[in-house]
Amino acid sequence: KAGVTQTPRYLIKTRGQQVTLSCSPISGHRSVSWYQQTPGQGLQFLFEYFSETQRNKGNFPGRFSGRQFSNSRSEMNVSTLELGDSALYLCASSTTPVPNEKLFFGSGTQLSVL
Amino acid sequence: DQQVKQNSPSLSVQEGRISILNCDYTNSMFDYFLWYKKYPAEGPTFLISISSIKDKNEDGRFTVFLNKSAKHLSLHIVPSQPGDSAVYFCAANGWDSSYKLIFGSGTRLLVRP
Repeated sequence: KAGVTQTPRYLIKTRGQQVTLSCSPISGHRSVSWYQQTPGQGLQFLFEYFSETQRNKGNFPGRFSGRQFSNSRSEMNVSTLELGDSALYLCASSTTPVPNEKLFFGSGTQLSVL
Repeated sequence: DQQVKQNSPSLSVQEGRISILNCDYTNSMFDYFLWYKKYPAEGPTFLISISSIKDKNEDGRFTVFLNKSAKHLSLHIVPSQPGDSAVYFCAANGWDSSYKLIFGSGTRLLVRP
C-alpha cells in the first residue's frame, strides 16, 4: 500500500506570494492533518480534515487555509507569504479522526520564503 | 504555552548503552501518548504508544514509561544502535485536544559507534 504522498518536495517562494501544497493520503484513510515543523518548535498543528470537513484548527493566522476533496486528497494554501513561514509542512493521514488513532506522515514539503 | 515539553534538545550515547528520552506534559486531560521517530528528509514514523491506564509499554528494544502523577513519560532504548540516531518526538492526545496530537519540540539522539 502506498504511503502518504506530498507534492512538491521543495518550494522556493518570495514574500507576498501564495503557495499551494498537496497531500494524497494512504488509500482508505479519510482523515488528513497538517503540521508545520520549524527548528526548535516541534510539530505545530495546523488543521485536520475528515470527509471534506475541517474538524479542528490550530493557532495559525487566516493566511493558512486548507481543504479536502471527495477522494480524501487535501491541499493547504498559504497566502501573502512571510519569511517566518519557511518550514517543513507535513501531512498525516489516518483512517478516522479518533483521538488515539495513529498518524502516518508524508515526507513533507520544504518551503523556503525569500 | 507548550503543553508537551521535551527539555533536552539533544542526547548522545554510546552504542550498546541505554538511551533515555524524556517528555513532560501539563494537561491532566491527556490520556494517550505516542513517540515518533524522524530521520532527515523523511516524515515522522510511529514508534510506540501508551494509554494512561498503563504505566509501561514494551516493544522490543523500546519501552515507554508513564508517571501520571508527575505528568512525565520517558522512552528507553536498550541497547542503543547507531541506526537509532534520529529526532524523537513525543505527542499527547486526549479529550481536551481531540482530533489532533500535540507534539513536543523533539530530542535529537546520536548513538556513537
